[in-house]
Amino acid sequence: KQEVTQIPAALSVPEGENLVLNCSFTDSAIYNLQWFRQDPGKGLTSLLLIQSSQREQTSGRLNASLDKSSGRSTLYIAASQPGDSATYLCAVSLDPRSNDYKLSFGAGTTVTVRA
Amino acid sequence: GAGVSQTPSNKVTEKGKYVELRCDPISGHTALYWYRQSLGQGPEFLIYFQGTGAADDSGLPNDRFFAVRPEGSVSTLKIQRTERGDSAVYLCASSPHPAGGRSSYNEQFFGPGTRLTVL
Repeated sequence: KQEVTQIPAALSVPEGENLVLNCSFTDSAIYNLQWFRQDPGKGLTSLLLIQSSQREQTSGRLNASLDKSSGRSTLYIAASQPGDSATYLCAVSLDPRSNDYKLSFGAGTTVTVRA
Repeated sequence: GAGVSQTPSNKVTEKGKYVELRCDPISGHTALYWYRQSLGQGPEFLIYFQGTGAADDSGLPNDRFFAVRPEGSVSTLKIQRTERGDSAVYLCASSPHPAGGRSSYNEQFFGPGTRLTVL
């Protein structure tokens, strides 16, 4: 069974500091990895999707790296802003040849950016 | 176009009652997923539909839970004889196609969720 772990569980930084969020997974036979943002009481917003053949993906101030062999992904958020305060979740899906398309999620990292 | 929508946004019910939760996926998306999220946890998979059929229902916790997608679009999650432990946020997601040579086709887009409270 795929286990996904996110460290740290919570993070508080002053505005302008770069954020580094970690995600690890136990089964390296992943299909892709998604990073999501969740605001309190809201659903999930997809931030980045990294295909298993990719090493990184970028969108604006966000950059996500993937090291499939070691079972790790890191989400970097540059020059953090108070509006970045939210819970960030990573999720992996396994190889579809195994007929398994569900996402396995970590518990998330709750980020607070102090003004 | 419109994203995934879910109704109701909040549902409060009494123990033992029956509830239905609705999901309207993004138009044209053939795959639909239900997840359940408890406080402080990541979402947990319940069931996956490809078209009208349930391709994987391995996450349903017991036979009180059932889901349908009769026309391959809207889906309804049904919970019988609700228990207090069923209280959670129920999330629905859709994707264009789970596979087909392009990994990005399994990118899942989530709705806002239904918060279910069983008293």
